Amino acid sequence: DARVTQTPRDKVTEMGQEVTMRCQPILGHNTVFWYRQTMMQGLELLAYFRNRAPLDDSGMPKDRFSAEMPDATLATLKIQPSEPRDSAVYFCASASGQANTEAFFGQGTRLTVV
Amino acid sequence: GNSVTQMEGPVTLSEEAFLTINCTYTATGYPSLFWYVQYPGEGLQLLLKATKADDKGSNKGFEATYRKETTSFHLEKGSVQVSDSAVYFCALSDYLTSYDKVIFGPGTSLSVIP
Repeated sequence: DARVTQTPRDKVTEMGQEVTMRCQPILGHNTVFWYRQTMMQGLELLAYFRNRAPLDDSGMPKDRFSAEMPDATLATLKIQPSEPRDSAVYFCASASGQANTEAFFGQGTRLTVV
Repeated sequence: GNSVTQMEGPVTLSEEAFLTINCTYTATGYPSLFWYVQYPGEGLQLLLKATKADDKGSNKGFEATYRKETTSFHLEKGSVQVSDSAVYFCALSDYLTSYDKVIFGPGTSLSVIP
């Protein structure tokens, strides 16, 4: 049963600490998305990779956030330094890269910055 | 640019009631349209999709028809169950202009009471 795997599921950290969230996309998918979900803003697209290259990261605060794909099986989202306003659920999703196909979501990382 | 608008929630219905969640879109090309569902504590998952005008997507008793003339993709179900309580997201992707980048609406929370 192919699925997107995100780790950790939950993370509580202190303000100023570095946070790294990891995502394993579905094998064979060449498109990876990072979304952030909050009650106030809903689902926000932070970054979007195709064949490991960033295609759109305009939704990501550049001063503290960074997203990478070290290889085709791993995507990472880092926040350094973290702030309380970064508290949210972060979702990774992957897609096959073909027309008219859907994105498959992981279960999310719930981040709390205190 | 492309965008999705859907009715504000929350929506509360009694079991076996009829459900409609309105969704309209703006797109420059010929998008594919999706409904995703998010159950508590989980990631989004595809509920149904339609890839061209007049297509009807259906799954688990839910239906939505791609109406190009009204730029709409309203979600309907004839008889809701308590287990349908979730947040529903309308979404689009326009492969010709932005590959498989998915644009989401704000989500509509549905609560079904026994």
